[in-house]
Amino acid sequence: DGGITQSPKYLFRKEGQNVTLSCEQNLNHDAMYWYRQDPGQGLRLIYYSQIVNDFQKGDIAEGYSVSREKKESFPLTVTSAQKNPTAFYLCASRQGWLQPQHFGDGTRLSIL
Amino acid sequence: DAKTTQPTSMDCAEGRAANLPCNHSTISGNEYVYWYRQIHSQGPQYIIHGLKNNETNEMASLIITEDRKSSTLILPHATLRDTAVYYCIVRVAMTSYDKVIFGPGTSLSVIP
Repeated sequence: DGGITQSPKYLFRKEGQNVTLSCEQNLNHDAMYWYRQDPGQGLRLIYYSQIVNDFQKGDIAEGYSVSREKKESFPLTVTSAQKNPTAFYLCASRQGWLQPQHFGDGTRLSIL
Repeated sequence: DAKTTQPTSMDCAEGRAANLPCNHSTISGNEYVYWYRQIHSQGPQYIIHGLKNNETNEMASLIITEDRKSSTLILPHATLRDTAVYYCIVRVAMTSYDKVIFGPGTSLSVIP
């Protein structure tokens, strides 16, 4: 089945450590997105990518980095500069302007 | 993007129709209405979207008023698995990037 796979489902980070969240899609979608969701709140855009080898900052990019070397992959690195990384991270993809974004099942990141 | 207003919570008896309202009085002519839902600890799931005509798919129906200032999502025969937070979003699809802005949504509880 086509879809978006995020891994791991749960991740723990030590102070000062960088961690990378994986997002893979086999939908052949061009655009991919990373969002952060805090408890009881909506989604906030971290980074997005319209095509391979191109990505743009969203509303809360500080402390995060991404790469888009392959169409199907859009990993997110949470760096030690992100002082409050505990959140639910969601990856999404979209094909075409009128098409909706489709989401993965998320990665829950916590601090040890 | 236009702001939306939804009730905080709703109950629905299993097997009955669930009617979820959304107000979007500041919607622009080129903004679409999208509905997503999020089951606890999962990624948001796309349900349906429309511009001005009523829409129906295998999951739900979307009724948009003639003035487009409000809409209703209808789940025709609610099941326990429909218990989730439902988000109504309005956005312009033809933008350089279209981040999804989720408000608090409506928490729907389907009761046996």
